[in-house]
Amino acid sequence: GAGVSQSPSNKVTEKGKDVELRCDPISGHTALYWYRQSLGQGLEFLIYFQGNSAPDKSGLPSDRFSAERTGGSVSTLTIQRTQQEDSAVYLCASSVLDRAYEQYFGPGTRLTVT
Amino acid sequence: QKEVEQDPGPLSVPEGAIVSLNCTYSNSAFQYFMWYRQYSRKGPELLMYTYSSGNKEDGRFTAQVDKSSKYISLFIRDSQPSDSATYLCAPEADNDYKLSFGAGTTVTVRA
Repeated sequence: GAGVSQSPSNKVTEKGKDVELRCDPISGHTALYWYRQSLGQGLEFLIYFQGNSAPDKSGLPSDRFSAERTGGSVSTLTIQRTQQEDSAVYLCASSVLDRAYEQYFGPGTRLTVT
Repeated sequence: QKEVEQDPGPLSVPEGAIVSLNCTYSNSAFQYFMWYRQYSRKGPELLMYTYSSGNKEDGRFTAQVDKSSKYISLFIRDSQPSDSATYLCAPEADNDYKLSFGAGTTVTVRA
């Protein structure tokens, strides 16, 4: 079946602009995760959605970052007033309930803020 | 101090060599220990996972966990050029959903 898809694959934006990154999880996966991967760094947890529960936003680095998940499926990560330090690869993953150890990742969106 | 420490390498080995990758961690609540493989410009993919201490073998790959010393290892036997990738360890506490990723070790297997 189809894996996790993300769009766009690459995004170049000017400092101060807003960007939206999209994630389509695997059908049937109720859990959805966003991570950020900076050059030479491990994956940094950003936010977690599980079904209809309130999301865990504890990893969001600032209030410029927000995310939503509509209809328990597609998710959008929004970064407002982008800064150069936001440049990174943003990865989305999904899993079935109670199998967080088995996360399936999308290819990521490479964000460059100029 | 980071929760998970992993030597970023890079590691370069000849084809057929044994590759040894390691992580240390500080959180004693970790119970699941995953290894993800990430090819260049791709998302990570789960390679294998171990629950609690012990060894697990899957083909040419062996994962070891020693909870007493908080040490995680991955061994790749008879390494192939197709094993060239970045390997990330990612432990998780029981009943949690947050994976704590190491920085990843980049491995190159020379033909």
